[in-house]
Amino acid sequence: DAGVIQSPRHEVTEMGQEVTLRCKPISGHNSLFWYRQTMMRGLELLIYFNNNVPIDDSGMPEDRFSAKMPNASFSTLKIQPSEPRDSAVYFCASRGQGALGYTFGSGTRLTVV
Amino acid sequence: DQQVKQNSPSLSVQEGRISILNCDYTNSMFDYFLWYKKYPAEGPTFLISISSIKDKNEDGRFTVFLNKSAKHLSLHIVPSQPGDSAVYFCAARASLSGSARQLTFGSGTQLTVLP
Repeated sequence: DAGVIQSPRHEVTEMGQEVTLRCKPISGHNSLFWYRQTMMRGLELLIYFNNNVPIDDSGMPEDRFSAKMPNASFSTLKIQPSEPRDSAVYFCASRGQGALGYTFGSGTRLTVV
Repeated sequence: DQQVKQNSPSLSVQEGRISILNCDYTNSMFDYFLWYKKYPAEGPTFLISISSIKDKNEDGRFTVFLNKSAKHLSLHIVPSQPGDSAVYFCAARASLSGSARQLTFGSGTQLTVLP
């Protein structure tokens, strides 16, 4: 298995532009998580899905952020419009049924200028 | 309010010596604790875990200690090697339904092992 695949690896965009981050979880995993890593707060959970259904989006910072999981093999995190304070590394992770730990992707480093 | 805290953002240790990374938590419902290691430009990878029914779990050079009364856990690496240089995240989970069952991460500690 190729693991959790995220794209793009790096994204540089101008303030006000729409940004879409993509994630392909491990096949057979039924939970998917979006995290944001910052120096101040470490790894923050933004939203997670169970069986493609959003369960808890209380970590999504603002309405500018949205996430979808149209099927078991794909999820997107969208920021519209983007702002410089959104600059961070965004990680996607997946977990199998009954498992304790997560498998993380390599992350997307977002820079908003 | 951070429920999992790693108060040391960085730690430097000589090769061959012991590295001790600390983590404190506030939620008494946490019953599983994990450590993840993260290299630059990579995602965090699982390292070791401990259940609240234990006070120690060992895996090779890595040992995690849990002190439930103090709500404190630590990761010991002996002997430390330059390849251990990474960011270490502490995480915790409560065996409840809903979002409380998800992992809550600390802010991480950058470990540097000096040759």
